[in-house]
Amino acid sequence: EVSLLESGGGLVQPGESLRLSCAASGFAFTSYAMSWVRQAPGKGLEWVSLISGGGGSTFYADSVKGRFTISRDNSKNTLYLQMNSLRAEDTAVYYCAKSQSGYHNFDYWGKGTLVIVSS
Amino acid sequence: ETVMTQSPATLSVSPGEGATLSCRASQSVRSNLAWYQQKPGQAPRLLIFGASTRATGIPARFSGSGSGTEFTLTISSLQSEDFAVYYCQQYNNWPLTFGGGTKVEIK
Repeated sequence: EVSLLESGGGLVQPGESLRLSCAASGFAFTSYAMSWVRQAPGKGLEWVSLISGGGGSTFYADSVKGRFTISRDNSKNTLYLQMNSLRAEDTAVYYCAKSQSGYHNFDYWGKGTLVIVSS
Repeated sequence: ETVMTQSPATLSVSPGEGATLSCRASQSVRSNLAWYQQKPGQAPRLLIFGASTRATGIPARFSGSGSGTEFTLTISSLQSEDFAVYYCQQYNNWPLTFGGGTKVEIK
């Protein structure tokens, strides 16, 4: 059974950094691209970043480009999101999501971790 | 950026009735369109991919259609568990983008 478990969320001040993790199990982690998708309180879904299965290709939304870095450790079946220079508008629940085979729609999602950026 | 526009924002439906949700793309996404269902406090769940293919375990009352820029999600007879927010997502163009959602509420 596929499982995605995010961790690392919390309350930080503007300008600070945070690293999110997503522990994956139940599938061949290396074979699938993974994404971070966020949802601000009461708002819709926003794709944030994607990394290929091997980790060699990464993609970012313009809203986080240059501030966030996605990475993965395939030996640990873990996805990461390093978030620097955080802003109030980055406040959201952050979900990790698995790409369906060959395509970048998302067939499995974690439960999410809440990031609050506030002074 | 491919802007995804969903309509209506809110749909009031009685249990047992059907519902039709629309999603429009600002440029062609071919058939690379997915639909998700999200209930309060839960992660989204994949319903439809490839514009019309139901994901594993999704009941037959959910169906998707369309290609290019116009897409529809139809729920043939709403059950109590179907009242939720529905999002479309295109995965043909970078960046990946979601629609703003349609809330299906009990009438």
